[in-house]
Amino acid sequence: KNEVEQSPQNLTAQEGEFITINCSYSVGISALHWLQQHPGGGIVSLFMLSSGKKKHGRLIATINIQEKHSSLHITASHPRDSAVYICAPHTDKLIFGTGTRLQVF
Amino acid sequence: DAGVIQSPRHEVTEMGQEVTLRCKPISGHDYLFWYRQTMMRGLELLIYFNNNVPIDDSGMPEDRFSAKMPNASFSTLKIQPSEPRDSAVYFCASSSLRGPIEAFFGQGTRLTVV
Repeated sequence: KNEVEQSPQNLTAQEGEFITINCSYSVGISALHWLQQHPGGGIVSLFMLSSGKKKHGRLIATINIQEKHSSLHITASHPRDSAVYICAPHTDKLIFGTGTRLQVF
Repeated sequence: DAGVIQSPRHEVTEMGQEVTLRCKPISGHDYLFWYRQTMMRGLELLIYFNNNVPIDDSGMPEDRFSAKMPNASFSTLKIQPSEPRDSAVYFCASSSLRGPIEAFFGQGTRLTVV
């Protein structure tokens, strides 16, 4: 079983929709990153969180340490949000989910 | 700071040749990570350093791969001899546990071995 599970793997949405991407992990962590990778390939760290909730613009990330689960929400989605979103728990190193490919039309 | 700098951005080489990828981490960061990304396997950790010392190289696929960090501002990942299955995007990232645990990624090196 993978240490990190993301769902869904692929997601298609219409502009304006509310989007949720889920991440479950089985290891003990000190923090968890949500990364964004655009078609050009560069990776950007969106959030690093170790508890509770963080908000940045239209993006919201939450984490429940007890349940070993994190979610990334995008409100009022836009075509420029189209990218691969990767959950990366931080143990003594980063481990990665398989990513969620989001396309917003 | 200009962020994590990787070079070259693209590399095309013939099978059997030696390939060297370079990384300059963010100044002050004491962790450096090398990752590989392929369509089949996604992102994988190859090796990471703490204070220039290799801590975990269990992700290095085989002896053809080696990584060094001679000082705090420079690291190399070398493949010798290269094979077509090494074709991937190689990312370098750095972070520091003294501040927020924020990992910063370089732009990656796209390696094609023909």
